[in-house]
Amino acid sequence: GAVVSQHPSWVICKSGTSVKIECRSLDFQATTMFWYRQFPKQSLMLMATSNEGSKATYEQGVEKDKFLINHASLTLSTLTVTSAHPEDSSFYICSARDLYAGVTGELFFGEGSRLTVL
Amino acid sequence: AQSVTQLGSHVSVSEGALVLLRCNYSSSVPPYLFWYVQYPNQGLQLLLKYTSAATLVKGINGFEAEFKKSETSFHLTKPSAHMSDAAEYFCAVGPPYGNTGKLIFGQGTTLQVKP
Repeated sequence: GAVVSQHPSWVICKSGTSVKIECRSLDFQATTMFWYRQFPKQSLMLMATSNEGSKATYEQGVEKDKFLINHASLTLSTLTVTSAHPEDSSFYICSARDLYAGVTGELFFGEGSRLTVL
Repeated sequence: AQSVTQLGSHVSVSEGALVLLRCNYSSSVPPYLFWYVQYPNQGLQLLLKYTSAATLVKGINGFEAEFKKSETSFHLTKPSAHMSDAAEYFCAVGPPYGNTGKLIFGQGTTLQVKP
């Protein structure tokens, strides 16, 4: 089946630094990708919808200047956590659907990226 | 607006016993409904989905779910639990139109399988 790959899987950084997480669709194209955040033992919270070639759409309460999203190609979206702080520590998951799969096509999820800010 | 409620954050069954994970939804439009499984430190894997075709949906690993509009439910079942079924399960709802893929997830249910 289709694969969505995230990199890095784990990242530890110092407070105040910026961290970039990549989300790639390996064998399909996706005009839209989604970024979720998951706290321990909790559900996934949709942060933003990443649109290829245009600005991301952020959910209410998500700081767009804090979580920068770039979707430069049909197979790559990046999430940059700027000036990270310990409260940004979380599990970040991206998802994408095959451009040609239609509205009922499966949404494929990446393996997730665990960010720990010291 | 759409929302999902999973009843029971933790379910424990014996190996070989019936698995029942409950999901109720709220939607102002006909919904698409999904069940996903998540293993520790991993992403989500689709178990099955309802997209307005058959109300009884069969998925992978022996799981199935039935869409009941009158009860606004989409409960997940498996006749006989296996140790490998122990994981976190999420029910999700999405809009039936537009290729947005935007899903709203329930709180999740942890399934424990005892030997």
